[in-house]
Amino acid sequence: QKEVEQDPGPLSVPEGAIVSLNCTYSNSAFQYFMWYRQYSRKGPELLMYTYSSGNKEDGRFTAQVDKSSKYISLFIRDSQPSDSATYLCAIIRSGGYQKVTFGTGTKLQVIP
Amino acid sequence: EAGVVQSPRYKIIEKKQPVAFWCNPISGHNTLYWYLQNLGQGPELLIRYENEEAVDDSQLPKDRFSAERLKGVDSTLKIQPAELGDSAVYLCASSLGNGKPYNEQFFGPGTRLTVL
Repeated sequence: QKEVEQDPGPLSVPEGAIVSLNCTYSNSAFQYFMWYRQYSRKGPELLMYTYSSGNKEDGRFTAQVDKSSKYISLFIRDSQPSDSATYLCAIIRSGGYQKVTFGTGTKLQVIP
Repeated sequence: EAGVVQSPRYKIIEKKQPVAFWCNPISGHNTLYWYLQNLGQGPELLIRYENEEAVDDSQLPKDRFSAERLKGVDSTLKIQPAELGDSAVYLCASSLGNGKPYNEQFFGPGTRLTVL
C-alpha cells in the first residue's frame, strides 16, 4: 500500500465550478500536509501548508485535513482556466527532519 | 530574486551513454534536493544535501547514479551508463536549512531526459 493515495484524474470542470481534490494517507505519523501545483513543464510550487486538522483558507483555495480519517482535501472556488495544472498532495512525518512524500497528482482542466 | 536554475532543460541520449544535470539553488539555501519524476507520478527523492554533505541518499541507485555538491552551492547529478528506464524529469529543489521539520522547498523547472 502506498503511503499516500491520490486519484490521478484527469478532472475536467467548467470555469466557475468548485473543485474538490483529495488524498488519503496510511500512517498516523504523518503530521504536516501540503498541496503543490505543477504547471506543464514546470516544477511544483507550494500552494498551501498545514499541520492541524480543520480548514485553512487562502483566497479561493481551502485546504482541509481530517486526521481521524487520514484524509486531506483541497477546494478551489470559482475555478479559472489558469488553475489548469496538476495538483500534488504531499505529507511529512513528525519528529525531526523527514522527507516529503508526494501523491501521484491530479490533473485538472478548467474549461472556459 | 532568481529561482532554482537547472540545465539543460531537455536532453536526449542513447542508452549506455553518460549524462549530467546541473542545478544552482536559491542563494542562501543550505539544503538541496534531487528528485526523480516519472510521467504521471509525484516527485521521488533521490538525494538530499545539507551544505556539501549528502545526508540522505538512500534512494539513489549508486551503481549508476552519482551526485556532488562542491562548496555547498551548485550541484551535479550524473548517470553513467543511462538506461531506457531512466527517461524521466529530474527536478532540483532547495530550501533553508534551519533544522525545522518543514521548510518550503522551491523547485526548478527540471531536466527532461529521454533515453533512446
